[in-house]
Amino acid sequence: DTEVTQTPKHLVMGMTNKKSLKCEQHMGHRAMYWYKQKAKKPPELMFVYSYEKLSINESVPSRFSPECPNSSLLNLHLHALQPEDSALYLCASSQQGREIGLNEQFFGPGTRLTVL
Amino acid sequence: AQSVTQLDSQVPVFEEAPVELRCNYSSSVSVYLFWYVQYPNQGLQLLLKYLSGSTLVESINGFEAEFNKSQTSFHLRKPSVHISDTAEYFCAVSARNTDKLIFGTGTRLQVFP
Repeated sequence: DTEVTQTPKHLVMGMTNKKSLKCEQHMGHRAMYWYKQKAKKPPELMFVYSYEKLSINESVPSRFSPECPNSSLLNLHLHALQPEDSALYLCASSQQGREIGLNEQFFGPGTRLTVL
Repeated sequence: AQSVTQLDSQVPVFEEAPVELRCNYSSSVSVYLFWYVQYPNQGLQLLLKYLSGSTLVESINGFEAEFNKSQTSFHLRKPSVHISDTAEYFCAVSARNTDKLIFGTGTRLQVFP
């Protein structure tokens, strides 16, 4: 299995809602990532988990809360979002144990989020 | 810190013509270089990567890229494009010993019949 899956594919939420995005991989990767991608822009890194511990938080607002329950799962909890948070949210994973930076990141198809 | 520049935001080309997508990077340390492709409404897929060794790297679908250290470039080329190559192409760099992938702004390749 060389796939990263993300659910849901599409999500529409109001500014007072609480929702979660889910990402799963079964490749034995120990690094997992959340990216945000606005239309016609490159992905922007939000969070990195390494061996289930948060290793990088790119100064993301607290209305985004990541969670890594185990090595295969990555969640992104959303609360009190703003319309400008509407974007494609991409999850990725990569091996670790080899030199960091060397490892290819495998991306999921993304969740298209619309905040009304 | 690292940065990536993709000067061409859009490249229109006719089918079966050659194409070059330009990528230049800046870094004070050694980096690894990647090209990712994003088809409409999909995530990113790795096209090819340069880690070390031969400066010319090839993908299975006919793309190639050449690492040029003196010009700090990693341009992507294909001698004959297909309609199915229409997509967004992102060049990216990763410094050694970091988990961060720095992306360029992307080049939209539009192939016309």
